[in-house]
Amino acid sequence: DADVTQTPRNRITKTGKRIMLECSQTKGHDRMYWYRQDPGLGLRLIYYSFDVKDINKGEISDGYSVSRQAQAKFSLSLESAIPNQTALYFCATSDPRPGPFTDTQYFGPGTRLTVL
Amino acid sequence: AQSVAQPEDQVNVAEGNPLTVKCTYSVSGNPYLFWYVQYPNRGLQFLLKYITGDNLVKGSYGFEAEFNKSQTSFHLKKPSALVSDSALYFCAVRDRGSTLGRLYFGRGTQLTVWP
Repeated sequence: DADVTQTPRNRITKTGKRIMLECSQTKGHDRMYWYRQDPGLGLRLIYYSFDVKDINKGEISDGYSVSRQAQAKFSLSLESAIPNQTALYFCATSDPRPGPFTDTQYFGPGTRLTVL
Repeated sequence: AQSVAQPEDQVNVAEGNPLTVKCTYSVSGNPYLFWYVQYPNRGLQFLLKYITGDNLVKGSYGFEAEFNKSQTSFHLKKPSALVSDSALYFCAVRDRGSTLGRLYFGRGTQLTVWP
């Protein structure tokens, strides 16, 4: 089974609708991240969470909110979707503890969101 | 401020030839540096990472990267390209001295290896 899973994998919605994207991980990592990917822009950080009680805004948090329900779950919400939020969304996890894989991020398969 | 530049949007190379995907970075302190690969319709996969020590880092699928502190570069290389290496490659940096622990990604370089 995949270590980082995202649901749904694809979603088409209409402007103004509320959307929730979910991420679950079995890696036991405290740190989780939400990115969006747009062609030619790379990955941009939306929100990140270093533990259940610690949530931080990234570069492009406007129009998004998050919830860290448990160590293993981190959800991204679009309260009122707009067409320029059409993108590929990725969840990632990392472990800050010293070791060969410190801060290496592990990504889910992505959610392709289309807002009409 | 921390940032990563991948100066080439696209790199094309013939199968069997060596490949290089370029990356330069800017951090206020000492860096951790990463390369990730993204195949179509997939998430990013970790390739390799520079922490400290030997400037030449070996990673998955025969890839390696050379850390050059004076040029603030971390170019990805492979001696002999395969068609299956065709993918989108991302360089990322983390300031080792920062407590935030987040990565900054470049915009990506599309590698195409033709038969």
